[in-house]
Amino acid sequence: GIQVEQSPPDLILQEGANSTLRCNFSDSVNNLQWFHQNPWGQLINLFYIPSGTKQNGRLSATTVATERYSLLYISSSQTTDSGVYFCAGGYSTLTFGKGTMLLVSP
Amino acid sequence: DTGVSQNPRHKITKRGQNVTFRCDPISEHNRLYWYRQTLGQGPEFLTYFQNEAQLEKSRLLSDRFSAERPKGSFSTLEIQRTEQGDSAMYLCASSSTVRDTQYFGPGTRLTVL
Repeated sequence: GIQVEQSPPDLILQEGANSTLRCNFSDSVNNLQWFHQNPWGQLINLFYIPSGTKQNGRLSATTVATERYSLLYISSSQTTDSGVYFCAGGYSTLTFGKGTMLLVSP
Repeated sequence: DTGVSQNPRHKITKRGQNVTFRCDPISEHNRLYWYRQTLGQGPEFLTYFQNEAQLEKSRLLSDRFSAERPKGSFSTLEIQRTEQGDSAMYLCASSSTVRDTQYFGPGTRLTVL
């Protein structure tokens, strides 16, 4: 099956800093999504992005499908951005990475 | 759009007992997925339905696990003869074939004693 590797595994930022999270796939996918799991465990869909670039407020994502990776950018981070960020990819079903745990301190 | 709901939110059971969880997807979504998540890991795919048809099951899914989606609406996940290794968060998600963005419910946390 598809392997999903996320980096870095952990990230600590001060409020206001920017960050880039990366996701590598072992094989091509036609479905790629980014999620944020908040401290209460709720998974929130951030982007559906099998290719190209999308932006939503302070978040943006870029997927280079031909090179099997995706990037999530967080700008001007806030304490509410803390949590675990997952990327997931596949075809009819999604394989998740192990996530990047982000802590934003005031 | 009331979101994906799951019940119960928490379940504590003794080893060997059967448990059943329910998921109500977003009403216009025809796809429904079950995942399992353990501490420090990402969600792991278990099975998915399109309408009432179960289209795929993980090879890791023990035959003690069964899922149904009668009439293509809500779904149930049953675990028979629970084991301590079944302790996890069970997550449900739904999407539509038009736009395959998956929306997750709050999960059911299972503890097997």
